[in-house]
Amino acid sequence: KQEVTQIPAALSVPEGENLVLNCSFTDSAIYNLQWFRQDPGKGLTSLLLIQSSQREQTSGRLNASLDKSSGRSTLYIAASQPGDSATYLCAVRVRAGTASKLTFGTGTRLQVTL
Amino acid sequence: ETGVTQSPTHLIKTRGQQVTLRCSSQSGHNTVSWYQQALGQGPQFIFQYYREEENGRGNFPPRFSGLQFPNYSSELNVNALELDDSALYLCASSGWREGPDTQYFGPGTRLTVL
Repeated sequence: KQEVTQIPAALSVPEGENLVLNCSFTDSAIYNLQWFRQDPGKGLTSLLLIQSSQREQTSGRLNASLDKSSGRSTLYIAASQPGDSATYLCAVRVRAGTASKLTFGTGTRLQVTL
Repeated sequence: ETGVTQSPTHLIKTRGQQVTLRCSSQSGHNTVSWYQQALGQGPQFIFQYYREEENGRGNFPPRFSGLQFPNYSSELNVNALELDDSALYLCASSGWREGPDTQYFGPGTRLTVL
């Protein structure tokens, strides 16, 4: 059974700092890995998607890496801003019957202070 | 914001009642997935519908059921509500053009069971 773990559970940093969020998964049989952002009480916004054959993806101040063999991914956020405050969720896409599904971690709650 | 809408936004029910949640997919999307997100947890896959048929299901009991209509809108029905059913229910749609990796999540329905 696929399990996804995210460390740390919560993080508070001052504005301008670079930070790293960690994600690990137990089964390497994944199609891809995604990082999402969730604001309180809201839906999910996809930030980055890394296919299983890729090593990293970048979008603006965000960079995500994937090491499928070791079951690890990191999300690097450069020059953090207060607007980055949210919960960040890591999810792997795996087979589900004839379909596929996302298996999520429990998230890292990030607070960027002024 | 995505083109996926959900109704109602919030809902309060009592134990034993039945509830229907609705999702309107992004235009052109023929696949919808439903997820349950308990407080402080990551979303968990309930099931997926493709062209009006269920083609994938997570570890949820049969009292969780769904429908997808010819216009690709969708319903999630939960019978015999239990206190643990209190959660944010998210739907996500995807289409053949963009593939299953590009899922758009709705804002969710917050269900409280008393």
